[in-house]
Amino acid sequence: NAGVMQNPRHLVRRRGQEARLRCSPMKGHSHVYWYRQLPEEGLKFMVYLQKENIIDESGMPKERFSAEFPKEGPSILRIQQVVRGDSAAYFCASSPEGLRGEQYFGPGTRLTVT
Amino acid sequence: AQSVTQLGSHVSVSEGALVLLRCNYSSSVPPYLFWYVQYPNQGLQLLLKYTSAATLVKGINGFEAEFKKSETSFHLTKPSAHMSDAAEYFCAVGRAAGNKLTFGGGTRVLVKP
Repeated sequence: NAGVMQNPRHLVRRRGQEARLRCSPMKGHSHVYWYRQLPEEGLKFMVYLQKENIIDESGMPKERFSAEFPKEGPSILRIQQVVRGDSAAYFCASSPEGLRGEQYFGPGTRLTVT
Repeated sequence: AQSVTQLGSHVSVSEGALVLLRCNYSSSVPPYLFWYVQYPNQGLQLLLKYTSAATLVKGINGFEAEFKKSETSFHLTKPSAHMSDAAEYFCAVGRAAGNKLTFGGGTRVLVKP
């Protein structure tokens, strides 16, 4: 059973460009979470999605950031007009149904804004 | 609201010595508690979880953690450190499946030969 897959693993963008980060959850998992890890900081929750629905986006910056999890295909975290402060590791996690579903993390996408 | 505090951002232990990583949480509802390990430039791997069953939880790689409600703690231990245990460890709290995890700041473990 393949784990959570994220691509690209490394992404370099110039200021003002768009960044698209992709996440394919584990097979059978219908919950997807995105977290951000800034340098020398812990992980911070960004958004929680189920298929075609955003359930909790309380951790998402108000501007430039958006996320989706379509019926078909991976979840996408989109950052428009990137700034240097967006440089971080972005992790996706997925979990199965049920009350005790722990979250399984992908390897992350390391975004560098130049 | 939930929060997690990990005491000590860096811990240095000798190979073969006890590893003790401290985690205290705050939660307004019965918590689900997790320990994750992160190796350099990798994602997080689940070490163990507490979900209101046994208070002493055994995980992978010889780690275990004890849930103490009276102390709101969930400290992680391993009797004998191995060089391969050098990594960063994160304690996290959640409420249930389908709910975000709140992470502590992490503790980086250095194992000396």
